[in-house]
Amino acid sequence: DQQVKQNSPSLSVQEGRISILNCDYTNSMFDYFLWYKKYPAEGPTFLISISSIKDKNEDGRFTVFLNKSAKHLSLHIVPSQPGDSAVYFCAASDLGTYKYIFGTGTRLKVLA
Amino acid sequence: NAGVTQTPKFRVLKTGQSMTLLCAQDMNHEYMYWYRQDPGMGLRLIHYSVGEGTTAKGEVPDGYNVSRLKKQNFLLGLESAAPSQTSVYFCASSDGQGKYEQYFGPGTRLTVT
Repeated sequence: DQQVKQNSPSLSVQEGRISILNCDYTNSMFDYFLWYKKYPAEGPTFLISISSIKDKNEDGRFTVFLNKSAKHLSLHIVPSQPGDSAVYFCAASDLGTYKYIFGTGTRLKVLA
Repeated sequence: NAGVTQTPKFRVLKTGQSMTLLCAQDMNHEYMYWYRQDPGMGLRLIHYSVGEGTTAKGEVPDGYNVSRLKKQNFLLGLESAAPSQTSVYFCASSDGQGKYEQYFGPGTRLTVT
């Protein structure tokens, strides 16, 4: 049973436009959510996170929105740049367990 | 400050052989993790450690063992490799003291023939 789902395996966006990546989860005990970016042949790198007590967190071009009632989070990238082309993973944690559950990833391609 | 390093970067094993993957971090992090990444499966947690001398099972622990004898090192062992263990393995560490993001190593690509 996949507790964290990224239902879109891929997404293409024009440079300068908004990229919206979605993530759904099933475990109501999750209280912390993170987004990672991964380039080929590299390890994932942390992008942005949000605690369950918030509904929005912003860092430069990246904003994460959390809708707890819908068990849904999204990552917005505005404006999108070609260097943003990568695989994006969302992850969720019940911090008391020390464990993180990752989604399957969404491959973003930003077209110049 | 090298962050998280993994040794080796690539390895080819024959079925039944054993090997140990080494992960080292220089950030004095308490928590360390081993994941495997397979196509279409995302990152799946194999084992993790919340401190020196501790280990715990993750989502897919079968066929693997781990040890955390020193705070900075986390070893992943395959006692008898199987083709199903062909994967890319990532180690990660996190502070665990109010900062929850994980720092990942560059990965080890393992092929079992």
